[in-house]
Amino acid sequence: GESVGLHLPTLSVQEGDNSIINCAYSNSASDYFIWYKQESGKGPQFIIDIRSNMDKRQGQRVTVLLNKTVKHLSLQIAATQPGDSAVYFCAENPPTTSYGKLTFGQGTILTVHP
Amino acid sequence: EAQVTQNPRYLITVTGKKLTVTCSQNMNHEYMSWYRQDPGLGLRQIYYSMNVEVTDKGDVPEGYKVSRKEKRNFPLILESPSPNQTSLYFCASSSSSRGGQNEQFFGPGTRLTVL
Repeated sequence: GESVGLHLPTLSVQEGDNSIINCAYSNSASDYFIWYKQESGKGPQFIIDIRSNMDKRQGQRVTVLLNKTVKHLSLQIAATQPGDSAVYFCAENPPTTSYGKLTFGQGTILTVHP
Repeated sequence: EAQVTQNPRYLITVTGKKLTVTCSQNMNHEYMSWYRQDPGLGLRQIYYSMNVEVTDKGDVPEGYKVSRKEKRNFPLILESPSPNQTSLYFCASSSSSRGGQNEQFFGPGTRLTVL
C-alpha cells in the first residue's frame, strides 16, 4: 500500500552544523506534507508544513524542500543545537482521503553532540 | 493555554477489561484523531473525527471504538483489550480545512499495558 518512509533512521551531528533529514513518499497524489518533532516522553510537535504547489518553505531555522519529481521531502535545520535532538517524522495527507487522515513515516533519530 | 489533554497518562490493565482513554481539547478544533505509536512502526492512525458525530477509520481501527458527542471530547474505547494493544497512544486535534494549515496539536500520550 501507499506509505511514507525515511532514508536514514539515525543522524548524528555536531552542534552548530546543519542537519538534513530525508523522507520518501510513495503517493504521488499527496498534496500536503508536515514535519513533526518528538522529544523523549512527549507527543509530536508541529515544525513546518508544505503544500504540493510549493517547492520550498522556510521557518525559523528550518526549511522544508519538496521534490515532486522524485517524491522526496527533506527537512533542513540550520545551526543545529542540542535541543534539536529528537525523533523527526514526516507525514502526508493524500487528497483522496478526508483531510483529517495522516500517514506518518517511521521517524529519524537526530542526535546533536555538543 | 491551548492544549490537548489525555487521561490517564499510564494504565495497566488485564485482558478483556473494558477501558476508556479520554481526550479533550480547548481550541474549538473540528478535527480530532487517535494514534498508536509502537517501536519500529511509527505513528499509526486508529480513528479520526471531522466534527461532532462524524468519525472514520484510520489505518488500524480493529479493536477500538470512538465517539464524538461533543466537539471538545474524543474518547477512545477498548471494549475487550488484548495484549497486542499494549502501546503508547496519542490524541491530536486540528482546525483547518484543506485550504489552510493543518497543524495537529498532540496530547502528552497514554501508555497502556494490557496483561
